[in-house]
Amino acid sequence: GDSVTQMEGPVTLSEEAFLTINCTYTATGYPSLFWYVQYPGEGLQLLLKATKADDKGSNKGFEATYRKETTSFHLEKGSVQVSDSAVYFCAPSARGKLSFGAGTTVTVRA
Amino acid sequence: GAVVSQHPSWVICKSGTSVKIECRSLDFQATTMFWYRQFPKQSLMLMATSNEGSKATYEQGVEKDKFLINHASLTLSTLTVTSAHPEDSSFYICSARDRGTGDYYEQYFGPGTRLTVT
Repeated sequence: GDSVTQMEGPVTLSEEAFLTINCTYTATGYPSLFWYVQYPGEGLQLLLKATKADDKGSNKGFEATYRKETTSFHLEKGSVQVSDSAVYFCAPSARGKLSFGAGTTVTVRA
Repeated sequence: GAVVSQHPSWVICKSGTSVKIECRSLDFQATTMFWYRQFPKQSLMLMATSNEGSKATYEQGVEKDKFLINHASLTLSTLTVTSAHPEDSSFYICSARDRGTGDYYEQYFGPGTRLTVT
């Protein structure tokens, strides 16, 4: 079955630091790839997505590139802010279903 | 746009009773809704896929008689936890997809319902 391996947290960073969260997946065919974010006390929100190989999804300063050859979709942000503190989920979608990674808790300190 | 609500946001019930959780798409029609369960500090586990006007499709290991799902309209799906037990205590999250069946259509998530069974 489909599976997602996501970098374990928690991750604690200082403001303006560089953030990378690794994500690799196994899936049948060519899934669409998503990153969801869950801010404290809120529901999951779509952060960005990529639907085919070499696509780059971007939003709020975050980026991730669909790498078919390495089956990866690593999330990056060059300069994090305190407001980026949240739980981040990598989620490939295949056959209409999302498979979630374990989630990575990110805490950004001022 | 694309807002999904859940009601209630939290509920406490006694062991042996049943509890119903509602999931509504507020500004779009959802032919497909999903129900997830999230344990503390863990990922979301898909429980079932709910299609409007048809029976839900349950994931392996999820008891369909325990977790009754009804998707009676294009904007409402309900999850009923029957004869709840303390081990059913969890955070239940629904999501909705507003059109199509392709993988590139995103799901919109509700805020979740915290169920505590005493």
